Amino acid sequence: GAGVSQSPSNKVTEKGKDVELRCDPISGHTALYWYRQSLGQGLEFLIYFQGNSAPDKSGLPSDRFSAERTGGSVSTLTIQRTQQEDSAVYLCASSLASGAHQETQYFGPGTRLLVL
Amino acid sequence: AQKVTQAQTEISVVEKEDVTLDCVYETRDTTYYLFWYKQPPSGELVFLIRRNSFDEQNEISGRYSWNFQKSTSSFNFTITASQVVDSAVYFCALSEEAGANSKLTFGKGITLSVRP
Repeated sequence: GAGVSQSPSNKVTEKGKDVELRCDPISGHTALYWYRQSLGQGLEFLIYFQGNSAPDKSGLPSDRFSAERTGGSVSTLTIQRTQQEDSAVYLCASSLASGAHQETQYFGPGTRLLVL
Repeated sequence: AQKVTQAQTEISVVEKEDVTLDCVYETRDTTYYLFWYKQPPSGELVFLIRRNSFDEQNEISGRYSWNFQKSTSSFNFTITASQVVDSAVYFCALSEEAGANSKLTFGKGITLSVRP
C-alpha cells in the first residue's frame, strides 16, 4: 500500500516568508507526528496528533510554528516569518493507535526546507 | 528525561565484515520501547525493529541481529557479512509511554560505510 507522502519535496524561501508543509499519512493511521532533522540538532520531535487533536506540542520551537490536521488525515505544518535556522528536513510519520502500546512510526520522504 | 546515546559517529568496514552498532538509553520508566531505523542516502527513514522493555530475547532477521540488555541499558545492532547496500545512517530511538503513542527520542545516528 501507499506510504506516507509529503509535499513539496524541496522548498526554498526567503527569510521572513511563511511556508506550509503537507503530510499525507498511511491510510487508516490515526496517529501522526512531525519531526525535524538538521545537522546541528539531529532528529527532533515537533508535534503529535491523535485524530485531529494534538496532545503533545512540546517540540514546537517557537510560536512561529503551528500545525493542524483535518479529517483525521492530512496535516499541514506552517512556519511563519521563516528564519535561516529553520532550514532543515521536516519529516512526517504516521502510526496505528492501538491505545495499548507504542505502535511503529512509519516515515515519509521529508520536505527539505532552505531559508535564504 | 529520556535519552539515547550512540557513541559511534562513523564506522567504515570492508564488505563481508561483521559490524556492531551500539545504542545506550536512559529512561525512568519501566515500560518503554526501543527502535532502530535506517536512513539510506535517499533520505527516507526505514523501520528495522521495535522491541518493548519486557522482551529481552535477542532477535535475528537474516543478516541483522539485535542484542537487548536491560542490565546495561543497551540495544545493540549487529550486521553480519556486511554489504555495500548496508551503507546508511542508523538511528536508535526510544519511546517511553506505555498504553499510548508518543514521541520518539533519537540518538545522533551512526554513519556506516561499507567498502567493496
